[in-house]
Amino acid sequence: GAGVSQSPSNKVTEKGKDVELRCDPISGHTALYWYRQSLGQGLEFLIYFQGNSAPDKSGLPSDRFSAERTGGSVSTLTIQRTQQEDSAVYLCASSLEGLAFGEQFFGPGTRLTVL
Amino acid sequence: AQSVTQPDIHITVSEGASLELRCNYSYGATPYLFWYVQSPGQGLQLLLKYFSGDTLVQGIKGFEAEFKRSQSSFNLRKPSVHWSDAAEYFCAVGARNAGNMLTFGGGTRLMVKP
Repeated sequence: GAGVSQSPSNKVTEKGKDVELRCDPISGHTALYWYRQSLGQGLEFLIYFQGNSAPDKSGLPSDRFSAERTGGSVSTLTIQRTQQEDSAVYLCASSLEGLAFGEQFFGPGTRLTVL
Repeated sequence: AQSVTQPDIHITVSEGASLELRCNYSYGATPYLFWYVQSPGQGLQLLLKYFSGDTLVQGIKGFEAEFKRSQSSFNLRKPSVHWSDAAEYFCAVGARNAGNMLTFGGGTRLMVKP
């Protein structure tokens, strides 16, 4: 079946603008994660959705970042008033349930460049 | 909170040589442990994982890793490297009782000489 898909693959925006990044998880996966991969750094956890439970937002770096997941499937990560330090690759992953039950499958990422 | 250290940022090996990539973690209990590979322009692919049981785990593409509790390590090994193994490798830790996110190391970029 299809893997995790993300759109757009690349996004260039101007400082101060808002951006929306989309993630389509693998069908049937109840858990969805967003990570950020900045140049020269590892992956940084942002937010985690599990079924209908309240999301774990503990990794969001500021209140400019938010995410939602509609119908337990597609997720959108929104960054408001983008800053240059937001430039990174944003990765989405999904898994059958939580971490205890198996691997996270990653999408190809969205490369965000803030000018 | 858990943390992961990959001490080697870059490693270069000759094709056919053996490989060991180091990973050390910090966590108060036995964690879930993972190795992912990221090839240029590709997403992250799981190589192998350790949840419990046998401390030597086999993965895809001929990779293996050994969990050593006493050293808080989970090093990745391959007996004979192929040119196609050139990529970036990430070690990750998941906490059993504190959320479901993965904490990643900074990655090791592997280059393979012909």
